[in-house]
Amino acid sequence: DAKTTQPPSMDCAEGRAANLPCNHSTISGNEYVYWYRQIHSQGPQYIIHGLKNNETNEMASLIITEDRKSSTLILPHATLRDTAVYYCIVRVEAAGNKLTFGGGTRVLVKP
Amino acid sequence: DAGVTQSPTHLIKTRGQQVTLRCSPKSGHDTVSWYQQALGQGPQFIFQYYEEEERQRGNFPDRFSGHQFPNYSSELNVNALLLGDSALYLCASSLSQGYYGYTFGSGTRLTVV
Repeated sequence: DAKTTQPPSMDCAEGRAANLPCNHSTISGNEYVYWYRQIHSQGPQYIIHGLKNNETNEMASLIITEDRKSSTLILPHATLRDTAVYYCIVRVEAAGNKLTFGGGTRVLVKP
Repeated sequence: DAGVTQSPTHLIKTRGQQVTLRCSPKSGHDTVSWYQQALGQGPQFIFQYYEEEERQRGNFPDRFSGHQFPNYSSELNVNALLLGDSALYLCASSLSQGYYGYTFGSGTRLTVV
């Protein structure tokens, strides 16, 4: 799996948009970008994933650059409950392909 | 619809002992993966079970073994426990066909003393 690079931590003001960057410069053409988050003392939770088009769901938006070498997860209106570690992962979407986690970004949403 | 269930939630063991952790996958899921998460680090893949067989394995010693039952539930066994085995052990279930995302349980916190 391609390696990803994320900032170790970032702060965000409650109610504002949180933009979480991820670099994946060695991503292969068939690898998807996945985002998971892990709230303290819980298991990782799926947020969103995409191949090359921008994606949006009820939790977040995913913006992937045209060359696919980086992406940004956007939490449109951060709440205190969004405080968590956010992991950016790239993987081929196929049965059995494991998730390879890096260090993630520790996001602290402040009131 | 129950998600992934893990038991126990917390466990304290002594060095050299053996431990068994249990996982019930999300309803409809047939594949179970196990991860180890040390404090302050991301989860590390241990192995994956499908059709009652180990399909993939990460860089973990043979002290770590597992099993999957016909109802898709799974066990993780660790023998000859070391202090360094203290971690959060996460179980994740998924489908062998169709959507390939993972659903994680809340984990078992193992402390080796």
